[in-house]
Amino acid sequence: KQEVTQIPAALSVPEGENLVLNCSFTDSAIYNLQWFRQDPGKGLTSLLLIQSSQREQTSGRLNASLDKSSGRSTLYIAASQPGDSATYLCAVFSGGGADGLTFGKGTHLIIQP
Amino acid sequence: DTEVTQTPKHLVMGMTNKKSLKCEQHMGHRAMYWYKQKAKKPPELMFVYSYEKLSINESVPSRFSPECPNSSLLNLHLHALQPEDSALYLCASSLPSSANEQFFGPGTRLTVL
Repeated sequence: KQEVTQIPAALSVPEGENLVLNCSFTDSAIYNLQWFRQDPGKGLTSLLLIQSSQREQTSGRLNASLDKSSGRSTLYIAASQPGDSATYLCAVFSGGGADGLTFGKGTHLIIQP
Repeated sequence: DTEVTQTPKHLVMGMTNKKSLKCEQHMGHRAMYWYKQKAKKPPELMFVYSYEKLSINESVPSRFSPECPNSSLLNLHLHALQPEDSALYLCASSLPSSANEQFFGPGTRLTVL
């Protein structure tokens, strides 16, 4: 059974810092990995998707990397802003059409103004 | 249109009520999903419809009944729920493809009294 772990569980940093969120998964046989952002009581916003054949994806100040063989992904946030405060979820897709995503427990991020 | 919509946003129901949650997408996606998210926990997969064929997570109680009237619409029928079923219910959709990027709706906040 696939298990996804995110470290740290919570992080509080001053505005402007660069930061790294970590995600690991136990079964390397994945099709893709997705990073999401969730604001309190809201739905999930897809930030980046990395397919299993890719090493990284970038969108604005966000960069996600994937090392499939070691079962690890990182989300790098450059020049953090208070608006980045949210919970960041890592999820892997391991199956065919009958499977959903397996999520980590998330990193709760607070950016101090 | 890259949006998944869910209605209602909030629902309060008694344990003897019957209610339904609705999800809709017009992105031409052929896979749709229901996830359940308890407070401070990651989303957990409940059901998947892929090309209008249902896959069931066997741990989901029969008081939850999904329906996919067409490829754009997904319902979740609720009957005789328990207070522990109170949660955020999230709908998602994807093509599906090897990329299988999932897009989530804003969720329905369900409270069972």
